[in-house]
Amino acid sequence: GAGVSQTPSNKVTEKGKYVELRCDPISGHTALYWYRQSLGQGPEFLIYFQGTGAADDSGLPNDRFFAVRPEGSVSTLKIQRTERGDSAVYLCASARGTSGTDTQYFGPGTRLTVL
Amino acid sequence: GQSLEQPSEVTAVEGAIVQINCTYQTSGFYGLSWYQQHDGGAPTFLSYNGLDGLEETGRFSSFLSRSDSYGYLLLQELQMKDSASYFCAVPGMIYNQGGKLIFGQGTELSVKP
Repeated sequence: GAGVSQTPSNKVTEKGKYVELRCDPISGHTALYWYRQSLGQGPEFLIYFQGTGAADDSGLPNDRFFAVRPEGSVSTLKIQRTERGDSAVYLCASARGTSGTDTQYFGPGTRLTVL
Repeated sequence: GQSLEQPSEVTAVEGAIVQINCTYQTSGFYGLSWYQQHDGGAPTFLSYNGLDGLEETGRFSSFLSRSDSYGYLLLQELQMKDSASYFCAVPGMIYNQGGKLIFGQGTELSVKP
């Protein structure tokens, strides 16, 4: 079956612009996670959804970052007034549930470059 | 808080065995996972240890000792395609933090011919 997909695969933008990153999780997975990965580092948690609601957004760095999942499937991560420090790979993962034993399946990521 | 430590890089030759260690400090503990990530690719789940002991999946095995806050990933019969970054991770299951994963910084494995 299809895995987690993310679009676009690459996004280059200018400082101050607004960007949207999309994640299509595995069908039927209720849990959806966003992570951010800088070069040479492990993924860092941003936010997770259980169904349509954001159950934990404690990893969002500031109020320029926002994410939605209106129908409990596709999610969009939105970044306003982008800064050069936002440049990273943004990863999405989905899982059947939110137990520590539920395997998270990752998408290939969106590489965001802010010039 | 939670933190994980693993070596930044390991080099081994094809056909050999390599062990990648991970030590963790957590306020609670709900198991240790391992992920593999090739350059430019998605992290891929390898194994999970919820209890002490060894879990074996083909050429890969993972070990956990909760009393020592320590685990390792063992890769046998190394192949060139095993060259990748390997991450240990723990679930951030504190209060209502759900199943988010806290990752180590990763170990870059280079397999030489």
